[in-house]
Formats: sequence, C-alpha cells, structure tokens
Amino acid sequence: EAQVTQNPRYLITVTGKKLTVTCSQNMNHEYMSWYRQDPGLGLRQIYYSMNVEVTDKGDVPEGYKVSRKEKRNFPLILESPSPNQTSLYFCASSPFGQGNQPQHFGDGTRLSIL
Amino acid sequence: SQQGEEDPQALSIQEGENATMNCSYKTSINNLQWYRQNSGRGLVHLILIRSNEREKHSGRLRVTLDTSKKSSSLLITASRAADTASYFCATGHSGGGADGLTFGKGTHLIIQP
Repeated sequence: EAQVTQNPRYLITVTGKKLTVTCSQNMNHEYMSWYRQDPGLGLRQIYYSMNVEVTDKGDVPEGYKVSRKEKRNFPLILESPSPNQTSLYFCASSPFGQGNQPQHFGDGTRLSIL
Repeated sequence: SQQGEEDPQALSIQEGENATMNCSYKTSINNLQWYRQNSGRGLVHLILIRSNEREKHSGRLRVTLDTSKKSSSLLITASRAADTASYFCATGHSGGGADGLTFGKGTHLIIQP
C-alpha cells in the first residue's frame, strides 16, 4: 500500500532533550516536506527536500533540522526542543521535485514538549 | 506565509443537504487544491484546479475558481455523515517553485444525521 509513515505518532518529552521524528515513503517520490499544524494558524511548512541531499527552509524552520540521505526517508530533528514546538507535525511527499503538486500526507505526530 | 482563507470557519448542516465552502487568496497562483482532514488523521488530497480552469468535478465534489476575484469554492452535494471533517484549500505558487503549498486555516464541516 502506498503510504507515508511517521514515527512516533505521539511523544511527550522535556525541554532540551533531542528527538527525531522519522518519515518514510514507499512511492519513490522525489519531493518531501514537513509541516506543523497549530490551532488558528493552519499548516505551515518547516523544511522541504526536492531530492536526495537537497533540502531547504520553509516558512518556520527555526529550531529544526532535516536530512535527506535516502530518497525514501526524511527525518525531522529537534536538537533542543522547547515548549513552543509543541504541535502536530505532518510529513508529506509528491512524485516530482515540485511542491505545488498534490501531496500525500502521513497521519501525523503529536509532540508535547514540557 | 498564510495565503488561503476559508469561509466559514465552521459549518453544520443536515445529512443530504449541500455544503459550500469558500477560499480566498492574495497572490497569483499556479493551481489551487482542496484537502480533507478527518479528526486525528493526515490530510487527504481531494481535487486540484489549475489557474486556467474555471470549474472541476469529482464525484460529489464541485470546485470553482475565479482568478479575477482570487477565490474558489468547494461544493459537496448530498452530504453524508462521513463527510464530517475539516476542509483546507491550498495554493500552489506560480512558476512551479520547489517550495510547498500555502494552506488556509480550514473549514470544520459537521454533518448532522
């Protein structure tokens, strides 16, 4: 089944403790990205990647890192999480190296930073 | 940066009625897309309409686009309880850039049985 898989689905952690949210897609998509969804703010893009070894900042990249060593994986790294990063996070992918095409979304990761 | 703005923020109708949601945006676009999000799940792509198209259909969905008014509407006909969800419009930027879609804040639709 074609899908975007995120792990973990839920995480409660403390300020400053490094964490990684994994994202994997099995559709051989070139484009992958991360969004965060907050009440009243909608979805905002954090980082995106047009292909392997190519990443770039979205609208709200501060406090986050990403890497794209393999086509299928696009992990989101919070080196020193803070409470304002408490949010619902989504990974998305699309076939070509363009972000304005229909996106396939994962089911989300709900992060709580205490 | 936020571009699409859905209206209304929330809508409650009876099963079988039609539901209409609107989206306005500010700058030129390459395409406009609608997504559905069920509670606790990721977004699911519904339909894409290009800037040179005026209307598009998919099953019970009808989308219109008016680039002169920078607005779009999503019509769901003969609504069902399973249509209860949040609906988002998203704009794809002109030039087909590598950056992503710009999402609105969504319309929460409730279908009363």
